[in-house]
Amino acid sequence: AQSVTQLDSHVSVSEGTPVLLRCNYSSSYSPSLFWYVQHPNKGLQLLLKYTSAATLVKGINGFEAEFKKSETSFHLTKPSAHMSDAAEYFCVVSDLGSYKLIFGSGTRLLVRP
Amino acid sequence: SAVISQKPSRDICQRGTSLTIQCQVDSQVTMMFWYRQQPGQSLTLIATANQGSEATYESGFVIDKFPISRPNLTFSTLTVSNMSPEDSSIYLCSVEEGSSSIYNEQFFGPGTRLTVL
Repeated sequence: AQSVTQLDSHVSVSEGTPVLLRCNYSSSYSPSLFWYVQHPNKGLQLLLKYTSAATLVKGINGFEAEFKKSETSFHLTKPSAHMSDAAEYFCVVSDLGSYKLIFGSGTRLLVRP
Repeated sequence: SAVISQKPSRDICQRGTSLTIQCQVDSQVTMMFWYRQQPGQSLTLIATANQGSEATYESGFVIDKFPISRPNLTFSTLTVSNMSPEDSSIYLCSVEEGSSSIYNEQFFGPGTRLTVL
């Protein structure tokens, strides 16, 4: 069965420092993996997706994630945090060919000035 | 990507009443989905709505409580029936576009914030 574990419910960083949001997944088949971001009172926006091509995936706003099959991880990183990055981030898994998205519990990113 | 709108954006309702949420897409899509996000929680899939067929509900969700319509390829409604305070949530619709369907990429509407008193 598919599952997603976001290891941190809250992450706090200073503006200009690196961001690391951790995600581990469990999937029976070849997974599709996504990161979505939800800003306060806004809908969900797709940051990036892994679909069995390159293991290092680049997304919008300077974010990237690396698929590591041996570690079943898909951590989200950004070299330098910006105040506008403060939001809730969701790691999502789906089996290839399945329409069902399984959401992690979310990580709230706080960016200190 | 598709542009998705939802109405209403928010509402406050009395227990025992029903609310119908609309989801409109600016292009034709085969698969539409409805999710619930309870306060401080992640998203949970309620049901999948394909045009011309009955909605498919996930475990824990039933048609009597969450009837869904899908009259065409650009529109769907979700009704939350006989509401109780436990139904207070954000309800989101999403679509899977044809070019991305093999990878299950979904695009989300802005959500409807429902408060039940």
